[in-house]
Amino acid sequence: EPEVTQTPSHQVTQMGQEVILRCVPISNHLYFYWYRQILGQKVEFLVSFYNNEISEKSEIFDDQFSVERPDGSNFTLKIRSTKLEDSAMYFCASSSRGQGKYFGPGTRLTVL
Amino acid sequence: GQQVMQIPQYQHVQEGEDFTTYCNSSTTLSNIQWYKQRPGGHPVFLIQLVKSGEVKKQKRLTFQFGEAKKNSSLHITATQTTDVGTYFCALGGTSYGKLTFGQGTILTVHP
Repeated sequence: EPEVTQTPSHQVTQMGQEVILRCVPISNHLYFYWYRQILGQKVEFLVSFYNNEISEKSEIFDDQFSVERPDGSNFTLKIRSTKLEDSAMYFCASSSRGQGKYFGPGTRLTVL
Repeated sequence: GQQVMQIPQYQHVQEGEDFTTYCNSSTTLSNIQWYKQRPGGHPVFLIQLVKSGEVKKQKRLTFQFGEAKKNSSLHITATQTTDVGTYFCALGGTSYGKLTFGQGTILTVHP
């Protein structure tokens, strides 16, 4: 069964550093998402991406965040200057229109 | 924005007992999805409900969407230890598929 993959599985960084989280969505999906989950809390929407542009974003997704689909397979989330409160599990997801989301295994980001 | 209340927050059951989690919204929902997250894992899509009063079954799992499309429930019959995890409802509502997750119900099954 096709699956979403994410790298790295764990990223440790210093506050103020830039990080790039990478995802390979399911190949025939057209909608791509980033969500995050702080330990023990609910899953929070960050951004959705369709047709090579951001379609929706949450208030969490400020100017420090950006997304890109640099080629036909990868989907990346960049955090320009990380803060302590950015520490969380970041999930990439993809879907077909109107269908359930397929989530990747996540990248655990730790900001020191 | 859309908000949803999910209860209970925690549920401990003995293996073989039934389990139910509920989601309630103050606004009418276009659809609702249910996800399961195993400890240390990622959310896994279970089902989507779209129609008023809809009932769907997956083996021991029964999903319901309220007549007014403001609430939903997930019922597990005769729980097993493999059912352990957090069950989330998630509200869909936009054409681009943004989901608003509930707080989740953490299910523990004692053998």
